[in-house]
Amino acid sequence: SQTIHQWPATLVQPVGSPLSLECTVEGTSNPNLYWYRQAAGRGLQLLFYSVGIGQISSEVPQNLSASRPQDRQFILSSKKLLLSDSGFYLCAWSPTHTEAFFGQGTRLTVV
Amino acid sequence: DAKTTQPNSMESNEEEPVHLPCNHSTISGTDYIHWYRQLPSQGPEYVIHGLTSNVNNRMASLAIAEDRKSSTLILHRATLRDAAVYYCILRVPSNNNDMRFGAGTRLTVKP
Repeated sequence: SQTIHQWPATLVQPVGSPLSLECTVEGTSNPNLYWYRQAAGRGLQLLFYSVGIGQISSEVPQNLSASRPQDRQFILSSKKLLLSDSGFYLCAWSPTHTEAFFGQGTRLTVV
Repeated sequence: DAKTTQPNSMESNEEEPVHLPCNHSTISGTDYIHWYRQLPSQGPEYVIHGLTSNVNNRMASLAIAEDRKSSTLILHRATLRDAAVYYCILRVPSNNNDMRFGAGTRLTVKP
């Protein structure tokens, strides 16, 4: 069966520090991969999505970047975090137009 | 961009049916209608999806208007565990099946 792993579950980082969040998928190949951010009490904002290795589409210009070094690995990064980067980060994968599966999320607090 | 419109909030009594509406007047012929729900501090969970015909699964039913410009998620007997934010989104195959979420509908279930 397919599973999605996202870690860490919680993270507290100082302003200006780097960030690396990793998401991996098991049990499937060539999935569509997505990164979302959810501010407190708000909806999900699509940050990046990828349809294949090295193929990244950015939805919101900001100080975050994403990479897909392997078929089932999706990484969200930042060189210098801002206070406004705090939020709940979610990774998701989907075969095609069928159901999408979300990870458990990472709650990031930038202090 | 394909967009959806949902009421901000709805209330239901336990063990009564719930009809959650969604408008998607700009839907294209190949766009899939998806529903997800999100419990507090968790990632969204897939509920159901459809293209043209009504769909039923163990969680809910999806009624799609004949012109496809609106749909309704039906929970046949609401339970307290159904209290969540429900998102209606469009999967757009012509745009790599991207998934863009709106604010969703916050469903409150009263005992």
